[in-house]
Amino acid sequence: QKEVEQNSGPLSVPEGAIASLNCTYSDRGSQSFFWYRQYSGKSPELIMSIYSNGDKEDGRFTAQLNKASQYVSLLIRDSQPSDSATYLCAVLTASGAGSYQLTFGKGTKLSVIP
Amino acid sequence: DARVTQTPRHKVTEMGQEVTMRCQPILGHNTVFWWYRQTMMQGLELLAYFRNRAPLDDSGMPKDRFSAEMPDATLATLKIQPSEPRDSAVYFCASGLVLGALVPNTIYFGEGSWLTVV
Repeated sequence: QKEVEQNSGPLSVPEGAIASLNCTYSDRGSQSFFWYRQYSGKSPELIMSIYSNGDKEDGRFTAQLNKASQYVSLLIRDSQPSDSATYLCAVLTASGAGSYQLTFGKGTKLSVIP
Repeated sequence: DARVTQTPRHKVTEMGQEVTMRCQPILGHNTVFWWYRQTMMQGLELLAYFRNRAPLDDSGMPKDRFSAEMPDATLATLKIQPSEPRDSAVYFCASGLVLGALVPNTIYFGEGSWLTVV
């Protein structure tokens, strides 16, 4: 059973600070990693994807991947109250015959305090 | 603005009734496709996975009452018959694109269908 683990939170950070969200996964063969943001009552919104070890930056967001440690993180710089949401980590793993399994963590709830 | 479209957005039905949810993937994004169910307790649970419209994984679906199909590249359906109160949840579809031998790098969700079975 492929597992994706996230701290459920809530994670509270003051406005303007850096929010750090973490995720670990169980399948060493996983290939792609995604971060989604989900506001209450809304659908998951893709923020970033990452496939290679290292950092990937997009605006205020930086995704970090360490395949040796089976660890992926998301940093949000200059956090804003509008960033308050649940952040979902998703891991894509090929499971044979052209099939891809996209497994989600339970999400981390982030609150940015004005 | 390309997006995944789901209908209905909200559905309240009585136990025992048939429920059909529909999803239109992003145009050209029909290579890989998923149905998920989300509840507060379980989070996002995979129901079915399709590649090139063929079902490759439906192990997460209660097969006695659920069925999923992609009759064409622009339409996917999820049916529940008969529905039960425990089916109350938000149902999401997601579509992605695979280029050549690469893995999907963009996977987008529909807005969801909120189902309540009373």
